Amino acid sequence: DGGITQSPKYLFRKEGQNVTLSCEQNLNHDAMYWYRQDPGQGLRLIYYSQIVNDFQKGDIAEGYSVSREKKESFPLTVTSAQKNPTAFYLCASSIAAGTQNEQFFGPGTRLTVL
Amino acid sequence: GEDVEQSLFLSVREGDSSVINCTYTDSSSTYLYWYKQEPGAGLQLLTYIFSNMDMKQDQRLTVLLNKKDKHLSLRIADTQTGDSAIYFCADTDTGRRALTFGSGTRLQVQP
Repeated sequence: DGGITQSPKYLFRKEGQNVTLSCEQNLNHDAMYWYRQDPGQGLRLIYYSQIVNDFQKGDIAEGYSVSREKKESFPLTVTSAQKNPTAFYLCASSIAAGTQNEQFFGPGTRLTVL
Repeated sequence: GEDVEQSLFLSVREGDSSVINCTYTDSSSTYLYWYKQEPGAGLQLLTYIFSNMDMKQDQRLTVLLNKKDKHLSLRIADTQTGDSAIYFCADTDTGRRALTFGSGTRLQVQP
């Protein structure tokens, strides 16, 4: 089965800790994205990557970091510099070529700061 | 920057039609999308429309696009309780090849 997996489903972090959210896809997609969702708000773009070993900041990159060492993996680290990290985090992927940018989403990780 | 706006809430009775509206600002958008999100889940693509089309129909779903007014709508015919969810419209940020999402419309279907 092709798709996007995110782990863990729920994550708890103490203040001052870094945590890493996993995102893996077996769709052979070039592009991958991280979004943050807060209640009553749409999705906001954190980071995106169009190709392996390259990534760009989105609209709310401060306090986050990513890596793209493999095509199928795009982990997101929430650092202690992110002051309000409690949110629902969604990973997505798409075929980069062409203008049709249909994105496929993972099931999400809910991060809570204790 | 780009902006996509939606109303926050819509309540309908089972069997009625639902119409969810969206406006966007980016006139260069090529594709516009409708996604559905059920509680605690990721987003599921429902349908999309290319910017040179006025209408697209897919079973119970009808998408209307008014490019002049930058207005997009999603009509769900014969709305069922299983349609209760949050619906997001999104347009393509052609520069970054990412999507810009609206804030989502929560659809409540009453039996």
